[in-house]
Amino acid sequence: EVQLVESGGGLVQPGGSLRLSCAASGFTFSGYAMNWVRQAPGKGLEWVSAISSNGYSTLFADSAKGRFTISRDNSKNTLYLQMYSLRADDTALYYCARSTSDWYDFDNWGQGTLVTVSS
Amino acid sequence: DIQMTQSPSSLSASVGDRVTITCRASQGITNDLGWYQQKPGKAPKRLIYAASSLQSGVPSRFSGSGSGTEFTLTISSLQPEDFATYYCLQHNSFPPTFGQGTKVEIK
Repeated sequence: EVQLVESGGGLVQPGGSLRLSCAASGFTFSGYAMNWVRQAPGKGLEWVSAISSNGYSTLFADSAKGRFTISRDNSKNTLYLQMYSLRADDTALYYCARSTSDWYDFDNWGQGTLVTVSS
Repeated sequence: DIQMTQSPSSLSASVGDRVTITCRASQGITNDLGWYQQKPGKAPKRLIYAASSLQSGVPSRFSGSGSGTEFTLTISSLQPEDFATYYCLQHNSFPPTFGQGTKVEIK
């Protein structure tokens, strides 16, 4: 069974940094591209970032470009999202999601980790 | 970016009703569309992929149709566990974009 478990969320001040993790199990992690998708409280879903299976290629939404980095450690079956210069509008539940053979097609999601940016 | 417009944004229906949700893309996306169900406090769950293919384990009362710019999710006979919010996702072009969601509530 595919399992994705996010962690690392919390309360951070505007301008601060946070690193999210997503621990994967139940599949060959190194064989899949992975993504972060977020959902602001009471709002819809917004794709944030993607990384190729080998970690060499990354993509970002405009809202994340220049402030977030995505990485992975295939030896640890773990995906990361490093967030810098956080703003109030980054407040959201952050999900990791596995891609199918199509990078932007997501078949399995974790339960999410909540990031709150507030002073 | 491709805009995905979902309608309605919410609906009230009774158990046993037939429910239809529509997603329109601002430009053609062939059949690169999925439908997701999200219950409160839970992660989204994929129901339909490639516009009309049923995800393994999903009840057959769910079906999808469409191609190009107009897509439909149909629940043939609404069950109590189907009350949730539904999203479409286009994955034809970068960046992937979601519809704004349709909340299905109990009448």
